[in-house]
Amino acid sequence: QKEVEQNSGPLSVPEGAIASLNCTYSDRGSQSFFWYRQYSGKSPELIMSIYSNGDKEDGRFTAQLNKASQYVSLLIRDSQPSDSATYLCAVNMYSGGGADGLTFGKGTHLIIQP
Amino acid sequence: ETGVTQTPRHLVMGMTNKKSLKCEQHLGHNAMYWYKQSAKKPLELMFVYNFKEQTENNSVPSRFSPECPNSSHLFLHLHTLQPEDSALYLCASSQDAREAATQYFGPGTRLTVL
Repeated sequence: QKEVEQNSGPLSVPEGAIASLNCTYSDRGSQSFFWYRQYSGKSPELIMSIYSNGDKEDGRFTAQLNKASQYVSLLIRDSQPSDSATYLCAVNMYSGGGADGLTFGKGTHLIIQP
Repeated sequence: ETGVTQTPRHLVMGMTNKKSLKCEQHLGHNAMYWYKQSAKKPLELMFVYNFKEQTENNSVPSRFSPECPNSSHLFLHLHTLQPEDSALYLCASSQDAREAATQYFGPGTRLTVL
């Protein structure tokens, strides 16, 4: 059973602070990891992708990957009220036999308090 | 039109109706996907098409029938649906179906089955 686990929250963070979102996955062979942001009533939009162990930074966002621990995280620095949304962790658990699409977690609902 | 478009945006249908959802991508991609997003559940992959060939059917009931006439268009034909099929149906596309390929989502069709 392919699974991606996230704390559903809500996670409440003061404006200007760092928001830390976490995700674990079940398939040790997974190689591709994505963070999507989804506002209420909207479709997911890509924030970051990460494929190698370590950190990847893009503006206020940093993705962290630890394949040994099967753990991926997203840090949002200088959090803004506009960052309030549900953050979806997605893993491509590619079987090698064909495209498997993405396996998503349930998402973490993030609230940035002004 | 840019990105991934979906029509209709909202659909209400009875259990005996037959309807179709349409997705079109303007990104020059070769892989397209259908996902289902129900309340309180993670996004679920339904179907994957790569270069017009179906490569994944994630144990979806036969009342959902996909069609991919070319790499830019994807349909989901619906018939004799159940109320529990009410959900947001999302189409996505990627350059191809490699595990590292980033998927971009359309705005979704909100389906209500009465």
